[in-house]
Amino acid sequence: NAGVTQTPKFRILKIGQSMTLQCTQDMNHNYMYWYRQDPGMGLKLIYYSVGAGITDKGEVPNGYNVSRSTTEDFPLRLELAAPSQTSVYFCASRNWDRGSNQPQHFGDGTRLSIL
Amino acid sequence: DAKTTQPTSMDCAEGRAANLPCNHSTISGNEYVYWYRQIHSQGPQYIIHGLKNNETNEMASLIITEDRKSSTLILPHATLRDTAVYYCIVSGNTPLVFGKGTRLSVIA
Repeated sequence: NAGVTQTPKFRILKIGQSMTLQCTQDMNHNYMYWYRQDPGMGLKLIYYSVGAGITDKGEVPNGYNVSRSTTEDFPLRLELAAPSQTSVYFCASRNWDRGSNQPQHFGDGTRLSIL
Repeated sequence: DAKTTQPTSMDCAEGRAANLPCNHSTISGNEYVYWYRQIHSQGPQYIIHGLKNNETNEMASLIITEDRKSSTLILPHATLRDTAVYYCIVSGNTPLVFGKGTRLSVIA
């Protein structure tokens, strides 16, 4: 059971380039999340999804886009990379329904540098 | 903003119990207390969670006060590999909000 898988693990981009960070989970979880973590700081929520076809903004959504066409996948897109987006990006998933409060499970992260 | 308060850092001798406190005085009735840890820059690792009863699993114990305004995570026999940042988070079905956590250093 792979859990939450993120690719790539590392990437260097030039300013203005675009890329997609991939996230997939094999636990059939309905909720998925994207966070970023800057050095020495806690995680900040970028976007989240409560099911296929449904996405919502988190605390720091500017400069990012997401889609959720399947239960398994939740890609994060950077359209015009900026140095301020240099960070470690974590994807997470969770199964939630009434009467059940399961924890979020995290991937190993994507380390992104924009130069 | 995170709804919990934790000490910035703590030390613990290897082999001893590590007791990490957390205050969450504004917790709502349907919110759980979650504990995660992060080793270096790896993804946060789930440890344990609870609503109002004390909980124990293979990693740790969680003690929640009767008024639910505070809790303590207990690592019964800390090892050097338990050195990490520990996050206490309260949440219902909303996304987890991470504060700065407690940096636990286990010392040989």
